[in-house]
Amino acid sequence: KQEVTQIPAALSVPEGENLVLNCSFTDSAIYNLQWFRQDPGKGLTSLLLIQSSQREQTSGRLNASLDKSSGRSTLYIAASQPGDSATYLCAVEVDSNYQLIWGAGTKLIIKP
Amino acid sequence: EAQVTQNPRYLITVTGKKLTVTCSQNMNHEYMSWYRQDPGLGLRQIYYSMNVEVTDKGDVPEGYKVSRKEKRNFPLILESPSPNQTSLYFCASRMDSSYEQYFGPGTRLTVT
Repeated sequence: KQEVTQIPAALSVPEGENLVLNCSFTDSAIYNLQWFRQDPGKGLTSLLLIQSSQREQTSGRLNASLDKSSGRSTLYIAASQPGDSATYLCAVEVDSNYQLIWGAGTKLIIKP
Repeated sequence: EAQVTQNPRYLITVTGKKLTVTCSQNMNHEYMSWYRQDPGLGLRQIYYSMNVEVTDKGDVPEGYKVSRKEKRNFPLILESPSPNQTSLYFCASRMDSSYEQYFGPGTRLTVT
């Protein structure tokens, strides 16, 4: 059964630093992997979607990589800002019914 | 504006009193789903729908019902709510696996 793990559960860094969030999954048979952001009291916002055939995706200061063989993905945030403070979730799509298996998230705090 | 809307945003109710949480999307998406989010457990899928009149169980369907009579709406029905259904609920939609998933703002339900 697919399991998704995100470590660390929480991370606090000073503004301006580059940082990496980690996501690992147990079964490499995935359709894609997605990274989301969740702000308190709000819904989830999709950040990046990496298809299983891709190695990485970039959007602005965000870069997500995917290594299916090792069951790992990273979300790289460059030049972090206080507005990046949120909980970041990764999810893998595991079947043709679009089912997503979710990690528990990493709560990120960027200190001004 | 492309969006998924949910109502109500907050609801406090008593055990056994039937309730419905509405979900609507304006993007003509075929796929819609419901999740619940609980501390330490992450997001878990309750039900999903691949298209009108097509619904299927997710990971935690017990105690819930859904319907998909028209493409834009996907209500979640709790026939006899119980305290273990106290949770944060999210509705989501997407076009297909090539595209990201859009989430509603969430409904915080408390059952006493």
